[in-house]
Amino acid sequence: QVQLQESGPGLVKPSETLSLTCSVSGFSITSGYYWGWIRQPPGKGLEYIGIIYQSGNTYYSPSLESRVSISVDTFKNQFSLKVNSVTAADTAVYYCARVHVAEWDYWGPGTPVTVSS
Amino acid sequence: QSALTQPPSASGSPGQSVTFSCTGTSSDVGKYDYVSWYQHHPGKVPKLMIYEVNKRPSGVPDRFSGSKSGNTASLTVSGLQPEDEADYFCCAYAGVNNYVFGAGTKVTVL
Repeated sequence: QVQLQESGPGLVKPSETLSLTCSVSGFSITSGYYWGWIRQPPGKGLEYIGIIYQSGNTYYSPSLESRVSISVDTFKNQFSLKVNSVTAADTAVYYCARVHVAEWDYWGPGTPVTVSS
Repeated sequence: QSALTQPPSASGSPGQSVTFSCTGTSSDVGKYDYVSWYQHHPGKVPKLMIYEVNKRPSGVPDRFSGSKSGNTASLTVSGLQPEDEADYFCCAYAGVNNYVFGAGTKVTVL
């Protein structure tokens, strides 16, 4: 069974960098598929952040690509998200998930991140 | 691109059917047959219910069905059951490995 689990600080100060990791179990990242991040600000809908392939190829949401980066660690079977220069608008529940063709078939439970001083 | 538009709520009695929409544009919902739907019980992992407009993953009851017309996709839940009470959100492929999501519809079983 494919399982994903997000981890990282739940509180980040404004202007700093938000860093999250998604640990994958039950499936090897090197076996293919894209892996990505989505977030949901309080009271709002889901927002696509970006995806990465095992090779390291990345694609980002046009609205966030200047501040985000996604990387993969195939040895640890993990992938990570960094969001630079965060503001209160980056406060959200962050989800990692696997992309199968064009649907997100396995998700992590989500991790809340608050941007506040 | 803008988020997909979903009604904030929908409801029905047990055994009834409920249908709700997901409206995008000619650049996402209208252009590709890559619309997916997810069920999300608060505090739990989102679950894929429909992919490629109308296909069900293994294990999803056939009470759940999807369709699309133009720039609008729809999800129908037939024979509503108490466990169907959840948030449902849609997602559409928008080209060049880009995706757009809806804000979600909260389904209440009366």
